[in-house]
Amino acid sequence: AQTVTQSQPEMSVQEAETVTLSCTYDTSESDYYLFWYKQPPSRQMILVIRQEAYKQQNATENRFSVNFQKAAKSFSLKISDSQLGDAAMYFCAYRSHNTDKLIFGTGTRLQVFP
Amino acid sequence: GAGVSQTPSNKVTEKGKYVELRCDPISGHTALYWYRQSLGQGPEFLIYFQGTGAADDSGLPNDRFFAVRPEGSVSTLKIQRTERGDSAVYLCASSLESGGAPRGTGELFFGEGSRLTVL
Repeated sequence: AQTVTQSQPEMSVQEAETVTLSCTYDTSESDYYLFWYKQPPSRQMILVIRQEAYKQQNATENRFSVNFQKAAKSFSLKISDSQLGDAAMYFCAYRSHNTDKLIFGTGTRLQVFP
Repeated sequence: GAGVSQTPSNKVTEKGKYVELRCDPISGHTALYWYRQSLGQGPEFLIYFQGTGAADDSGLPNDRFFAVRPEGSVSTLKIQRTERGDSAVYLCASSLESGGAPRGTGELFFGEGSRLTVL
């Protein structure tokens, strides 16, 4: 069975600085998708970025980028130029290529200080 | 509405009672998902609908949990004989197509969840 591990329960960053959130996963599959979701206090999960395992190039979305290391089964999220609105819970998630289930990690709470 | 709508936003009930949680997905989205998020945890998959049928219900914890989507749009998650351990936020998500389709975008759009508290 696949598992997703987020080893950082909490992280903090100063506004305008850069922070990296860690995620590792375990799978025997070669084709899958990885995601980072943001969950603000409203509870709504918002997709931040996604990565297809078959793509070697790391995904980027504006200030958000990932470092995908397939052999190491690592998928970290880098947030550049952090903003106060980035403060939230961040969840890493895995999905097999042939199912519709997302498997989530336990989350990292990000605090952003002015 | 423009997004996934879930009602009620908060529900407090007593142990042993029956509860229904409603999800109204984005119009036109054929796939619908229910997840449960316990305190301090990530969401856990419960059930997935493609149209009216439950394509995967492997995440339902026991037979007290049941979900329907009779017309392929609104879905209701039903919990019988509630227990204190059922207390959690129940999240619903929808997508335009099955995320399991090869190379499908399958982006899930989540609602704000229903927080269930069983006393």
